[in-house]
Amino acid sequence: GESVGLHLPTLSVQEGDNSIINCAYSNSASDYFIWYKQESGKGPQFIIDIRSNMDKRQGQRVTVLLNKTVKHLSLQIAATQPGDSAVYFCAEDTGANSKLTFGKGITLSVRP
Amino acid sequence: DADVTQTPRNRITKTGKRIMLECSQTKGHDRMYWYRQDPGLGLRLIYYSFDVKDINKGEISDGYSVSRQAQAKFSLSLESAIPNQTALYFCATSGQGTREQYFGPGTRLTVT
Repeated sequence: GESVGLHLPTLSVQEGDNSIINCAYSNSASDYFIWYKQESGKGPQFIIDIRSNMDKRQGQRVTVLLNKTVKHLSLQIAATQPGDSAVYFCAEDTGANSKLTFGKGITLSVRP
Repeated sequence: DADVTQTPRNRITKTGKRIMLECSQTKGHDRMYWYRQDPGLGLRLIYYSFDVKDINKGEISDGYSVSRQAQAKFSLSLESAIPNQTALYFCATSGQGTREQYFGPGTRLTVT
């Protein structure tokens, strides 16, 4: 069946370096993608989203890239900080009924 | 997100007991969702509601029921709790015409 998945379960980066978190999706009908950050003991928090008619979208220190050809989504975090340590989820929406399908999540650990 | 609140935040109950988890939102959103989070499995949709008179099953609705008492309130019930319903439960909301979902802080449920 259709699924959203992440390539790596954990990612460890040095403080100040850039982080890249990757996500593969398999539903070619998906037209909206979103990244969430979940800190320990909290609910998921919106980071950034992108529609399928775009390849790139930038926010504050974050960039999302969408490659529809290979069904790949990535989240880039510039100058990673200790506060970026969390679990990151990608999610997709086909637009049929505004339901998000979430990936399993990847843990980002920032080394001081 | 203080705009979406969940009660209780933690609950331990015994097998066979009925339990209700409550969600309230002050965002004025029409759409509300209940998710379950298990380690390594990401977020899975239990039920969702697009307005007070609209209730829909998600991918894992068996063993659960919901009630949309008002636009701002959406409760999740476990009629007869079983140990494999031990999980973290999240409520989320979204506005009509948008796809971004806002999550509550979660309820940690343990069924012994």
